[in-house]
Amino acid sequence: DIHLTQSPSSLSASVGDRVTIACRASQGMRYEFAWYQHKSGKAPKRLIYDASTLESGVPSRFSGSGSGTEFTLTISSLQPEDFATYYCLQYNSYPRTFGQGTKVEMK
Amino acid sequence: EVQLVESGGGLVQPGGSLRLSCVASRFDFNNYWMDWVRQAPGKGLEWVANIRPDGNEKYYVDSVKGRFTISRDNSKNSLYLQMNSLRAEDTAVYYCSARLDVLGQGTTVTVAS
Repeated sequence: DIHLTQSPSSLSASVGDRVTIACRASQGMRYEFAWYQHKSGKAPKRLIYDASTLESGVPSRFSGSGSGTEFTLTISSLQPEDFATYYCLQYNSYPRTFGQGTKVEMK
Repeated sequence: EVQLVESGGGLVQPGGSLRLSCVASRFDFNNYWMDWVRQAPGKGLEWVANIRPDGNEKYYVDSVKGRFTISRDNSKNSLYLQMNSLRAEDTAVYYCSARLDVLGQGTTVTVAS
């Protein structure tokens, strides 16, 4: 199984801050990687797929990068609606696996 | 916009069974891999299983193999998850997903005596 380690597990930030979340995979992959935003009581929402492709309708302040074993989600200027938990996912092999999540809280 | 509506959750005793359903609309269900994802209380997301469009290929996370069965009925645009021999650790919100692109609102399963 491919294990994904997200860092940090939580962070405190202010509106307007640049936020970076990292995900390290136990095995390398090309691009089969995605990022999700999850707010309590709502359905998780995919933001990025194929490592760097922005989902339709997702604001351009979100971006994804990386390949191999290191992947990154960046929010260029944090907005009030961005406070949530973020998860990475690999779909390179079975079983699909998620990172443990990064909770983004208001400072 | 893709719509996924799950149902069938509830309270069940350890060792019991439940069948979850998901009705899909507004996309070509017949040509999509479909997945189940869950989130236990206070925990992160966990992928559970998926199924090929024709239903002839299925994959499961190890913790549910032999107990859960994923299936689909393309004539009804529906996805199912038959859950047997349920354990306390299966307690979670279960989300239906179209190819992990979009997830539904979820249905809650509680396994407790």
